[in-house]
Amino acid sequence: QLVESGGDLVTPGGSLRLSCAASAFPFSTFSLNWVRQAPGKGLEWIASISSSSAYIWYAHSVRGRFTISRDNGMSLLFLQMNGLTGDDTAVYYCARTWEGDYYFMDVWGRGTTVTVSS
Amino acid sequence: EIVMTQSPGTLSLSPGERATLSCRASQTITSNSLGWYQQRPGQAPRLLIYGTYIRATGTPDRFSGSGSGTDFTLTITRLEPEDFAVYYCHQYGFSPPHTFGGGTKVEIK
Repeated sequence: QLVESGGDLVTPGGSLRLSCAASAFPFSTFSLNWVRQAPGKGLEWIASISSSSAYIWYAHSVRGRFTISRDNGMSLLFLQMNGLTGDDTAVYYCARTWEGDYYFMDVWGRGTTVTVSS
Repeated sequence: EIVMTQSPGTLSLSPGERATLSCRASQTITSNSLGWYQQRPGQAPRLLIYGTYIRATGTPDRFSGSGSGTDFTLTITRLEPEDFAVYYCHQYGFSPPHTFGGGTKVEIK
């Protein structure tokens, strides 16, 4: 239901744009997130966007370098990454937020790998 | 900003044993915002428990969650081979909206 793409090998200082294609649910009604996992490390939330794009949040580690956006008409989520460093090397997951009486990330993609190296 | 601290970092147990995983928040959080995720090697995280104690669809009943305030627990009553994995607690807040604990690895002893 969520499929990420766009991961690649990129040199330090470079840019990359990740995409996440959604299917089988009403995309425009859900907040969405990017979560990453560096090799051998834990999960790190990095960005969220509300259903209408009215609200956007970033982790300190990516604020000012990454931009999250979405296209509700195409059911696509994006992450524009600029100024990449080795610390950004990770598997990047997109995930849906369930918001209601309870709050959690209930649908996850399989991830796309970003490697920053010269 | 809320910090979620999980302990222990690694739990070495045998199949059939009971596992108790802890998650502590740096400040009081609401029970409806606390969840647990399982991640097997090479796989994406999977929602296991939400709202502190509610099992997600497909979660076996050997998994249970409990806690309130700042202290939360995930218990696996009898470990099955497929349960050896890494477990993360997660908190939904306002700013930032999501925080994960550092994870507990449950490994075969």
